[in-house]
Amino acid sequence: EAQVTQNPRYLITVTGKKLTVTCSQNMNHEYMSWYRQDPGLGLRQIYYSMNVEVTDKGDVPEGYKVSRKEKRNFPLILESPSPNQTSLYFCASSWGLAGGPKYEQFFGPGTRLTVL
Amino acid sequence: AQSVTQLGSHVSVSEGALVLLRCNYSSSVPPYLFWYVQYPNQGLQLLLKYTSAATLVKGINDFEAEFKKSETSFHLTKPSAHMSDAAEYFCAVTSYSGAGSYQLTFGKGTKLSVIP
Repeated sequence: EAQVTQNPRYLITVTGKKLTVTCSQNMNHEYMSWYRQDPGLGLRQIYYSMNVEVTDKGDVPEGYKVSRKEKRNFPLILESPSPNQTSLYFCASSWGLAGGPKYEQFFGPGTRLTVL
Repeated sequence: AQSVTQLGSHVSVSEGALVLLRCNYSSSVPPYLFWYVQYPNQGLQLLLKYTSAATLVKGINDFEAEFKKSETSFHLTKPSAHMSDAAEYFCAVTSYSGAGSYQLTFGKGTKLSVIP
């Protein structure tokens, strides 16, 4: 089954404790992206990746890191989480490169993160 | 730069009534437009998309949207609301942002309630 998986689905942590949220897709997509969803603000893009070893900042990258060492994986790293990073996070993937913008994104189930 | 405005954060309709969710966009280059739906406690899934072919786009579950360039709009409609349509709907726009890369920008979402 074609899908985007995220782990963990729920996470409660404390301020300053480094964490990683994993994202994996099995559709051989070039494009992957991370979003955060907050009430009244919709989805905002954190980082995206056009292909392996190619990443770029989205609209709200502060406090986050990403890496793309393999095509299928795109982990989101919070090196020193703070309470304002409490949010619902979604990973997504899509066909990219030449025709990229016209292809829809496939979303993972979400990771609900609480930082105390 | 691109942006999306969804008019109305909450819309209520009676079961069987017309559904109209509004979306206006701004983009300096030809856009690709999407509507996604998010059911409670789930990720986003694609309803329909506009990719410069027909201006009237049909999607799943009898939803459709019309691209109007002169009005920079991409409103979502459904002739007859069903209880199962209760969800949050997001309009999104994407276009090339230079150097072969692109970003997907979401509106803030419209929560649809269906009254029996």
